[in-house]
Amino acid sequence: DGGITQSPKYLFRKEGQNVTLSCEQNLNHDAMYWYRQDPGQGLRLIYYSQIVNDFQKGDIAEGYSVSREKKESFPLTVTSAQKNPTAFYLCATMTSGGYNEQFFGPGTRLTVL
Amino acid sequence: DAKTTQPPSMDCAEGRAANLPCNHSTISGNEYVYWYRQIHSQGPQYIIHGLKNNETNEMASLIITEDRKSSTLILPHATLRDTAVYYCIVVVETSGSRLTFGEGTQLTVNP
Repeated sequence: DGGITQSPKYLFRKEGQNVTLSCEQNLNHDAMYWYRQDPGQGLRLIYYSQIVNDFQKGDIAEGYSVSREKKESFPLTVTSAQKNPTAFYLCATMTSGGYNEQFFGPGTRLTVL
Repeated sequence: DAKTTQPPSMDCAEGRAANLPCNHSTISGNEYVYWYRQIHSQGPQYIIHGLKNNETNEMASLIITEDRKSSTLILPHATLRDTAVYYCIVVVETSGSRLTFGEGTQLTVNP
């Protein structure tokens, strides 16, 4: 099945620990995105990558880091520098050369205790 | 990208048409109007997009005013499963664009 996998669905970490969220896709899409969503709020862009080995900061990149070593994978690390990391994290992809339809994964709900 | 304004919430009776408005008065000539929706605790889903002509697909219709300063998403026969947050987004049609999601409109379809 083609799609976007985010694992795990729920993640718990202690304050001060770094944590890496996984995002894998087999859609062969060039662009990948990470969003954060807080309760009752819209999505905010953290980082995005339009091509392998390249990525750009979004609106709220502080305290986060990413890598894009493979087309299929775009992991997000939430570092201890992120002041309020508890949130719902969504990964998305977009094909190139077409219109702006983003495809979203099921999300990871991160809770920092 | 142009900013959009949507009402925070709307209600609709099941089986009736749901008309969701969006204002984008600063839209530029090369910006498209996109609609996505997000059902609770899931990732958003693309619905439809348009530039200046009205558009229709199996999910919805998009009506864009002649001056392009506002648009309306129409769900012709709303069902309970259409209860979701609907986002109106304006974006330049460029490959790999970044989308800016506002707070959207919470549509509640009532039985």
